Amino acid sequence: KAGVTQTPRYLIKTRGQQVTLSCSPISGHRSVSWYQQTPGQGLQFLFEYFSETQRNKGNFPGRFSGRQFSNSRSEMNVSTLELGDSALYLCASSLAIQHTGELFFGEGSRLTVL
Amino acid sequence: SQQGEEDPQALSIQEGENATMNCSYKTSINNLQWYRQNSGRGLVHLILIRSNEREKHSGRLRVTLDTSKKSSSLLITASRAADTASYFCATPHYGGSQGNLIFGKGTKLSVKP
Repeated sequence: KAGVTQTPRYLIKTRGQQVTLSCSPISGHRSVSWYQQTPGQGLQFLFEYFSETQRNKGNFPGRFSGRQFSNSRSEMNVSTLELGDSALYLCASSLAIQHTGELFFGEGSRLTVL
Repeated sequence: SQQGEEDPQALSIQEGENATMNCSYKTSINNLQWYRQNSGRGLVHLILIRSNEREKHSGRLRVTLDTSKKSSSLLITASRAADTASYFCATPHYGGSQGNLIFGKGTKLSVKP
């Protein structure tokens, strides 16, 4: 069974640009969550999607957005990039949205903003 | 502040030794999870312990949970160089769903051959 796939793995952007990251969950998983990881703030929850609906959102500005498609694949978008958006963006999937259970993470997309 | 706080922040041991990492959290939880991350890679789930469990084993891993002290520990026995990684505890965000976890800052473990 293929794991969680994130693309692209690495990308470099400049301030003011926008970026779209993609995540394909494990087959059959319907819940997708996104996390931002930086050395200073650690792992922070961005948002969670289930059945194409955003179920939870972390404390991030509106420049951070996402969506989920009918096949459970998800994308996140960051507009008007700032230097502080440089981070490893991790996607995780799980079977459903119940309150317990493990998350399966992808390898991440490392974004560098110059 | 973050729900889970690990200590120590960094730990360096020799191969064959045991490694113990601790995690503290602030609110009531129904479970606590431990994840591992190799440098710059994704996280891998290690073990989940529920609030009604006190101890759980998985291979060379032993996790304990003390809900009265709001703390957990992860013990890796007979460590190997391949165990070198960062280890994070994670708890569900209060009122949140499965995908909404709060992670600690992690313990960076270095196992020297």
